[in-house]
Amino acid sequence: QVQLQQWGAGLLKPSETLSLTCAVYGGSFNSYYWTWIRQPPGKGLEWVGEISQSGSTIYNPSLKSRVTISVEKAKNTLSLRLTSVTAADTAVYYCARLVVGATSDYWGQGTLVTVSS
Amino acid sequence: DIQMTQSPSSLSASVGDRVSITCRASQGIRNDLGWYQQKPGKAPKRLIYAASSLQSGVPSRFTGSGSGTEFTLTISSLQPEDFATYYCLQHNAYPWTFGQGTKVEIE
Repeated sequence: QVQLQQWGAGLLKPSETLSLTCAVYGGSFNSYYWTWIRQPPGKGLEWVGEISQSGSTIYNPSLKSRVTISVEKAKNTLSLRLTSVTAADTAVYYCARLVVGATSDYWGQGTLVTVSS
Repeated sequence: DIQMTQSPSSLSASVGDRVSITCRASQGIRNDLGWYQQKPGKAPKRLIYAASSLQSGVPSRFTGSGSGTEFTLTISSLQPEDFATYYCLQHNAYPWTFGQGTKVEIE
């Protein structure tokens, strides 16, 4: 059974850097793309970006150059870094293994990150 | 970006009702669409992949249909555990985009 467990700072001040980590237990870490998705409180879902098995990344243009997704294969972890945060970045952030075919999706438990002065 | 317009934004229904939710894509996305269910405080769970294929373990009362620009999720007989928010997700082109969500509430 695949499990994703995520952690990171939950309260940031404007202009600080958001940093989250997601550990993957079970399954083959190196065989899949890994994704971050966020959800502002009471609102819908937004795809943040993904990283492939080879380490190539695609990001949502809405986040411009502020976002970085990386993996540490030796530890089966992926990370999200978002710089210069504002209140608009307040959201629950999910790491996920999204697969377009029949194979099951797996999601982390979500981490609420609040940006407030 | 491909815009996914989901409707209705909310609906009230009773146990046993048949309900349908629609997503329209701003351009053709073949069948590159999934449907997700989200309950409060929980991560989304995929119900349907490739527009009409039922995810393993998901009850058969959930069906998906459509291709191109118009897609529908139908729940044939609403059960108490189905009261939740539903989202479509297109993965035809980056950035992947979700519909705005449909909250299914008890009437």
